[in-house]
Amino acid sequence: DIQMTQTTSSLSASLGDRVTISCSASQGISNYLNWYQQKPDGTVKLLIYYTSSLHSGVPSRFSGSGSGTDYSLTISNLEPEDIATYYCQQYSKLPYTFGGGTKLEIK
Amino acid sequence: EVKLLESGGGLVQPGGSLKLSCAASGFDFSRYWMSWVRQAPGKGLEWIGEINPDSSTINYTPSLKDKFIISRDNAKNTLYLQMSKVRSEDTALYYCARRGFAYWGQGTLVTVSA
Repeated sequence: DIQMTQTTSSLSASLGDRVTISCSASQGISNYLNWYQQKPDGTVKLLIYYTSSLHSGVPSRFSGSGSGTDYSLTISNLEPEDIATYYCQQYSKLPYTFGGGTKLEIK
Repeated sequence: EVKLLESGGGLVQPGGSLKLSCAASGFDFSRYWMSWVRQAPGKGLEWIGEINPDSSTINYTPSLKDKFIISRDNAKNTLYLQMSKVRSEDTALYYCARRGFAYWGQGTLVTVSA
């Protein structure tokens, strides 16, 4: 199985900050990488697909980048509603696997 | 509007069985692969498996292959997850999601306890 690692389990930032969340794969995943946001009530939303494509309705302050084994999600101008846990997921090979999540809090 | 609504969760005894449902609406269910994902309390997301539109291909996470059975009824626009021989570590919130994971349900909670 491909292991997805989010080395930062929690992150504290101030409103208006630019935040970057990292994710690494145990082998190359050819950009088949999604990012999700999970709110405290359990609601899961797709933010970014195929490394850098913004899902419909997602604010443009969210962006994704990366290649090979290393990927990142950037939130520019952090807003209160961005408080959530963020997960990466590879869909290059079965079984699809998720990172452990990065919990974003307001400083 | 795409909607996915899971149901069937609840309290089940260790060793028991439970069948979860996911009712789909707002799209042509019969044309899409569907997945199940779970999340144990305080843990991350875990993909369980997926099923193709005509049920001819079903893929599972290897460690869960002998515990879960994914099926669907396209006439009822419903996805199913049959759970068997459950253990405490199967306690989780169970989500269904449409292929591509662009749409998720709200989840149904399964608690395994005596």
